[in-house]
Amino acid sequence: GAGVSQSPSNKVTEKGKDVELRCDPISGHTALYWYRQSLGQGLEFLIYFQGNSAPDKSGLPSDRFSAERTGGSVSTLTIQRTQQEDSAVYLCASSSGARDEQFFGPGTRLTVL
Amino acid sequence: EDKVVQSPLSLVVHEGDTVTLNCSYEVTNFRSLLWYKQEKKAPTFLFMLTSSGIEKKSGRLSSILDKKELFSILNITATQTGDSAIYLCAANAGGTSYGKLTFGQGTILTVHP
Repeated sequence: GAGVSQSPSNKVTEKGKDVELRCDPISGHTALYWYRQSLGQGLEFLIYFQGNSAPDKSGLPSDRFSAERTGGSVSTLTIQRTQQEDSAVYLCASSSGARDEQFFGPGTRLTVL
Repeated sequence: EDKVVQSPLSLVVHEGDTVTLNCSYEVTNFRSLLWYKQEKKAPTFLFMLTSSGIEKKSGRLSSILDKKELFSILNITATQTGDSAIYLCAANAGGTSYGKLTFGQGTILTVHP
């Protein structure tokens, strides 16, 4: 596609439920990143996929968070047993490689009631 | 711990004014410095800087990096209301952090007619 796409654009869920957020990167981009932006905060790195290498999960805040990237393209970020502090905008980005500029998707706004 | 600090946190100007946004960084194995504009959800890429002293320019926007003093500035001349946005600065580090962007908290720019 022309740019990074994410779905859903908005997600409202109840505390304790699991959610899945999807990211479609720019075609041909080997690197894919997930970030989180809480209200009034800067972007916080979560996880990074580069080609077939093991993902860098160093930014995931707890073991309730996980992500996978199937076939080197689409990625899904899963949050289990959601908590109110998980409410944020989850942004996905992709790049040609680790040294290149990252292009962001429109994000998914997650609200946990 | 890698750190990026932006100043000012917010700025209010009138159309036609020139603004300078600041970004300082402390990053291990620094690779590059990126600027993004965020109007709604998706940050839009502006510049990537890797070398000191070389100005990058795009229309009314320009940016320069000083790797000795560890900072970058983003200049916007003849500001317009459409420039109102959050401007984000991010550092891309090397080593095991390669590819992960560390973001500053952003500068909120408001341009009044």
